[in-house]
Amino acid sequence: QKEVEQNSGPLSVPEGAIASLNCTYSDRVSQSFFWYRQYSGKSPELIMSIYSNGDKEDGRFTAQLNKASQYVSLLIRDSQPSDSATYLCAVNSQNFVFGPGTRLSVLP
Amino acid sequence: SAVISQKPSRDICQRGTSLTIQCQVDSQVTMMFWYRQQPGQSLTLIATANQGSEATYESGFVIDKFPISRPNLTFSTLTVSNMSPEDSSIYLCSVVWGRALEQYFGPGTRLTVT
Repeated sequence: QKEVEQNSGPLSVPEGAIASLNCTYSDRVSQSFFWYRQYSGKSPELIMSIYSNGDKEDGRFTAQLNKASQYVSLLIRDSQPSDSATYLCAVNSQNFVFGPGTRLSVLP
Repeated sequence: SAVISQKPSRDICQRGTSLTIQCQVDSQVTMMFWYRQQPGQSLTLIATANQGSEATYESGFVIDKFPISRPNLTFSTLTVSNMSPEDSSIYLCSVVWGRALEQYFGPGTRLTVT
């Protein structure tokens, strides 16, 4: 069974710090990787997708992929209280598999 | 990205009744899915809505309980039948869009069964 694992958190970081969210996956042939942000009571919102090994940066967000280690991470620089949400990792290999999510709390 | 709408946004229903949730997309999409998300939990895939054919259900979900229609490439419905309080959840439709095959979600339907 294909699995995606994340620390459930909560992960608490002070405002302005770097938040680091991690995700591992079991299916070695996975090709596409996604990070979603979900605010309480809202639906998931796609914030980053990554397909190749290495880093991909978009504003304050950086996704990192290491296929050999089956590991994908999301870094949020200069964390803001508005970043407080649950972050879902998703992996696509023939079908989408979502992790359980990590709850991030950014403290003012 | 595709714009996805769902109706109703929320509903409170009595045990034993059925509710049909509609999902409308502003562009034609091949892949459309229905998910359930219970409070504090991650997403659980119910089924893939196939245009012009029967939906493909995940383990633990059956057509009699969650009938799905997909009459065209922009619209789908999910019915929650013979509801019980255990069906209280958020129901989300999603589509896979674009060459990057990114998945986007509708705003969700919050269902409470009393």
